[in-house]
Amino acid sequence: QKEVEQNSGPLSVPEGAIASLNCTYSDRGSQSFFWYRQYSGKSPELIMFIYSNGDKEDGRFTAQLNKASQYVSLLIRDSQPSDSATYLCAATTGGFKTIFGAGTRLFVKA
Amino acid sequence: DVKVTQSSRYLVKRTGEKVFLECVQDMDHENMFWYRQDPGLGLRLIYFSYDVKMKEKGDIPEGYSVSREKKERFSLILESASTNQTSMYLCASSGSTGGRTGELFFGEGSRLTVL
Repeated sequence: QKEVEQNSGPLSVPEGAIASLNCTYSDRGSQSFFWYRQYSGKSPELIMFIYSNGDKEDGRFTAQLNKASQYVSLLIRDSQPSDSATYLCAATTGGFKTIFGAGTRLFVKA
Repeated sequence: DVKVTQSSRYLVKRTGEKVFLECVQDMDHENMFWYRQDPGLGLRLIYFSYDVKMKEKGDIPEGYSVSREKKERFSLILESASTNQTSMYLCASSGSTGGRTGELFFGEGSRLTVL
């Protein structure tokens, strides 16, 4: 049973727009949440992490966490074609185990 | 920079062969992980290790085993490869301080084809 769910997309946005990526998780014991970006043919790389309810901003990226709703999101402002990738949501449970969603493909059209 | 190195980028093996995938990290990380990635299924955790000689099953351990004799090295073993183990295998590591166990650093991946 999947524990982290994402819409597979693809999500297509025009250059300069805000891209909104969403994720839900089923384990209320999940403590930490992560967003990874994966370019085609490459390995995932960490871009954001969030541990507390609310928003966390880093440059053009904002991660949002709502533990009551078991919901995590990633906003990408001023989207660029170079942001086109698959975005993986992940949650850590039980201290060491990190579970990933299947990923959302994002296309940013120039 | 953290570097996670996987020994082989591409492997082609025959059904029934024993396969070793090696992974080495250079950041003194306590935790190491093996995932496989398949289209539409995302990354699925096979095994992880939080200390030398310690190992824990992930979500899909069947058909796999692991070895961690040294802190920097984590090996994935397919005792008898089968065609349904054709996949991209990703090794990752993370530290344990400040709740950072989920901040994974990945190797470049090993694409295994079993014929």
